[in-house]
Amino acid sequence: AQSVTQPDIHITVSEGASLELRCNYSYGATPYLFWYVQSPGQGLQLLLKYFSGDTLVQGIKGFEAEFKRSQSSFNLRKPSVHWSDAAEYFCAVKSTASKLTFGTGTRLQVTL
Amino acid sequence: KAGVTQTPRYLIKTRGQQVTLSCSPISGHRSVSWYQQTPGQGLQFLFEYFSETQRNKGNFPGRFSGRQFSNSRSEMNVSTLELGDSALYLCASSQVTAEETQYFGPGTRLLVL
Repeated sequence: AQSVTQPDIHITVSEGASLELRCNYSYGATPYLFWYVQSPGQGLQLLLKYFSGDTLVQGIKGFEAEFKRSQSSFNLRKPSVHWSDAAEYFCAVKSTASKLTFGTGTRLQVTL
Repeated sequence: KAGVTQTPRYLIKTRGQQVTLSCSPISGHRSVSWYQQTPGQGLQFLFEYFSETQRNKGNFPGRFSGRQFSNSRSEMNVSTLELGDSALYLCASSQVTAEETQYFGPGTRLLVL
């Protein structure tokens, strides 16, 4: 069965600093991978997705993620964090059964 | 294009009652999935509907059910509510493609007292 691990429960960065959120997945076939962001009391907004091809994918709000098959990772990065990026971030893998399996999330706090 | 809409946004019920939540997908999206989000269990898949048929189901008791209408709108029902059913219920819609990227609504926050 597929699974997703986000090892960092909570991360604090200063505004303007770079950010990397870690995601490791377990899935037998070529994975479809996603990053979503959730602000308090809101639904999930899609940041970016990887299906195939170029292993570095660009998303909205200046985010990017790199797929590394050898490490089973799909880490999310942003070169310069803004205060409005404070939220919870979820990595997910989609199975062939149209079901998303999510990680436990990483809460990002941004200090000014 | 309008996003996924969910109604109601907030709901308070008491134990033993039943509740029905509604989801309208993005226009043209025929697949609707439901997820439960709680602090303890995180985001868990409930079920997915396509063409008015349940195509996939998660590991939830039979008290959780759903349906989809011909216009792709979906409802989920929880009968005999328990305190542990308090959660944010998220609906997501997708097109029927190989990738099936899911787009989420704002959720319905259910509180069971």
